[in-house]
Amino acid sequence: DVKVTQSSRYLVKRTGEKVFLECVQDMDHENMFWYRQDPGLGLRLIYFSYDVKMKEKGDIPEGYSVSREKKERFSLILESASTNQTSMYLCAIERWDTEAFFGQGTRLTVV
Amino acid sequence: AQTVTQSQPEMSVQEAETVTLSCTYDTSENNYYLFWYKQPPSRQMILVIRQEAYKQQNATENRFSVNFQKAAKSFSLKISDSQLGDTAMYFCAFRGSNYKLTFGKGTLLTVNP
Repeated sequence: DVKVTQSSRYLVKRTGEKVFLECVQDMDHENMFWYRQDPGLGLRLIYFSYDVKMKEKGDIPEGYSVSREKKERFSLILESASTNQTSMYLCAIERWDTEAFFGQGTRLTVV
Repeated sequence: AQTVTQSQPEMSVQEAETVTLSCTYDTSENNYYLFWYKQPPSRQMILVIRQEAYKQQNATENRFSVNFQKAAKSFSLKISDSQLGDTAMYFCAFRGSNYKLTFGKGTLLTVNP
């Protein structure tokens, strides 16, 4: 079975804090993605990575950064958390010839 | 840029009946993949079915089938013999040559006993 593991299921942080969301895969897939899911908006791509140390901006990168030092791990960083970043965050992995596999999601609340 | 539109924010169906979820998309590409993903309440997103654009035959997976109309850029999902466990948010998604997935806003399907 494919495993995509996100470090936290639920997270509560204060405004202005630096927040790290971790995603680890066990499938050796090159492509890793971070999405944000909000009611009525679907999933929106924040950042993605095709390889180690490589990153590209998605549709809504503002306020976020990412890190991929090892192939199996892709981190999403909120440099200074704000209340409008309260959301569900989903990590996904993919190869060009397969469907995407998702983590269980991290529900982040910024207070 | 590609766009994916799901025009039905919510739908409901009685157990054992058939329901169709709509999806349209816009692209200038000729080769691409289309997907339906399912997200049950508080559970992980999983693939329901996928379709390669170069295949004319509609994909089928047990009770789930698609109606893929390439010229009309339409990709609807039909669920036959609906079960309570089909209650979920369903997302239509497009993947083109840049390998990025573009999702629709989702349809919340409720199966009633």
